[in-house]
Amino acid sequence: GAVVSQHPSWVICKSGTSVKIECRSLDFQATTMFWYRQFPKQSLMLMATSNEGSKATYEQGVEKDKFLINHASLTLSTLTVTSAHPEDSSFYICSSLGPSGPMPFGQGTRLTVV
Amino acid sequence: QQPVQSPQAVILREGEDAVINCSSSKALYSVHWYRQKHGEAPVFLMILLKGGEQKGHEKISASFNEKKQQSSLYLTASQLSYSGTYFCGTPNLRSNDYKLSFGAGTTVTVRA
Repeated sequence: GAVVSQHPSWVICKSGTSVKIECRSLDFQATTMFWYRQFPKQSLMLMATSNEGSKATYEQGVEKDKFLINHASLTLSTLTVTSAHPEDSSFYICSSLGPSGPMPFGQGTRLTVV
Repeated sequence: QQPVQSPQAVILREGEDAVINCSSSKALYSVHWYRQKHGEAPVFLMILLKGGEQKGHEKISASFNEKKQQSSLYLTASQLSYSGTYFCGTPNLRSNDYKLSFGAGTTVTVRA
């Protein structure tokens, strides 16, 4: 079945630095990818929809200048958390439109900002 | 708008049954069910596309009542491996747009 690979699985960074998270579709072309954020013991909240070759669509309340999304190819979407702060510490998960519909999720990236 | 899940949490002994409900204030065109283990990404369980549809995998099954705008997930003869947080997800648009809104989750703990 369709596989989405997300890297890294965890990252610790200093406050004020930027972190890039990659999401790759391994055996299919993903024209659309979704980025979610999940705080401890909470549900998944959609941050943005990434479309190959065009600007990402951000959900209300998500700062587009802070969470930069690039979807330059049909197999790779990246999320860069710029000038990260401790409140950005969270579990970030990507998913995509699989060829048969249901979204495979990436493995998730646990970001800790210290 | 997020679907509403109930109960918030349930504790079971191995072999017991449980039902998790997911309801929406808006029309539902499909319902997706996922299970998430601690520290891991959610894993897809099943999707229900039509009103009246029922599906299952081993002893986990689900039903979809389009008219009532709700879906239920049934855990039958629960196993220790069923522990985790279950989420239902519903698409926002009547299309193949898989931009999902997730419920708050139901934490299931199965004890020996």
